Amino acid sequence: ETGVTQTPRHLVMGMTNKKSLKCEQHLGHNAMYWYKQSAKKPLELMFVYSLEERVENNSVPSRFSPECPNSSHLFLHLHTLQPEDSALYLCASSQDIASGDYEQYFGPGTRLTVT
Amino acid sequence: QKEVEQDPGPLSVPEGAIVSLNCTYSNSAFQYFMWYRQYSRKGPELLMYTYSSGNKEDGRFTAQVDKSSKYISLFIRDSQPSDSATYLCAMSGDGSGNTGKLIFGQGTTLQVKP
Repeated sequence: ETGVTQTPRHLVMGMTNKKSLKCEQHLGHNAMYWYKQSAKKPLELMFVYSLEERVENNSVPSRFSPECPNSSHLFLHLHTLQPEDSALYLCASSQDIASGDYEQYFGPGTRLTVT
Repeated sequence: QKEVEQDPGPLSVPEGAIVSLNCTYSNSAFQYFMWYRQYSRKGPELLMYTYSSGNKEDGRFTAQVDKSSKYISLFIRDSQPSDSATYLCAMSGDGSGNTGKLIFGQGTTLQVKP
């Protein structure tokens, strides 16, 4: 595997389900990010992790819970989601927080549909 | 007012045309300016970034930043059907320290017709 991988690529879940999105980066980077991409809206930064420590929570509802067990893996735990949470969820990584200002590498995303 | 404005298009051009993609922004403190390309059902791919004002060229792609006008551009020369994608501008470095926070435009969808 190379670059940034995300699983699953597609997910359909009911509003009462609990699911998790997984991201893995194979680049030896120390910073990781979660973004939300909704139709006709700009990418929205959700969370930033640097060396497994959360450094940014961009006013994201508590039904989204991130976890970064090590610098290569990032999870997004989902529970009690709403239909408006349906979107493409993208993971990204950068060498460190400083280079994250200009050089982030994205995974292919997980297409989430909440029914 | 959005921090970054980008016309969503779609923009349709014939193969071989010169394409001009643009973004305007409101925060004069931004220091880094990036262009990403996103193919359908894929994640964004970094094309190039520029620090502060000026031009940067990479093959058929040229990025320009005019900080006085708060306007950035991406030019694609000799456009190819394989350039058909959504192009996202992004900005960062607003003086609050290194945060990795990128502010994106909505993206412009480009179609290059053979």
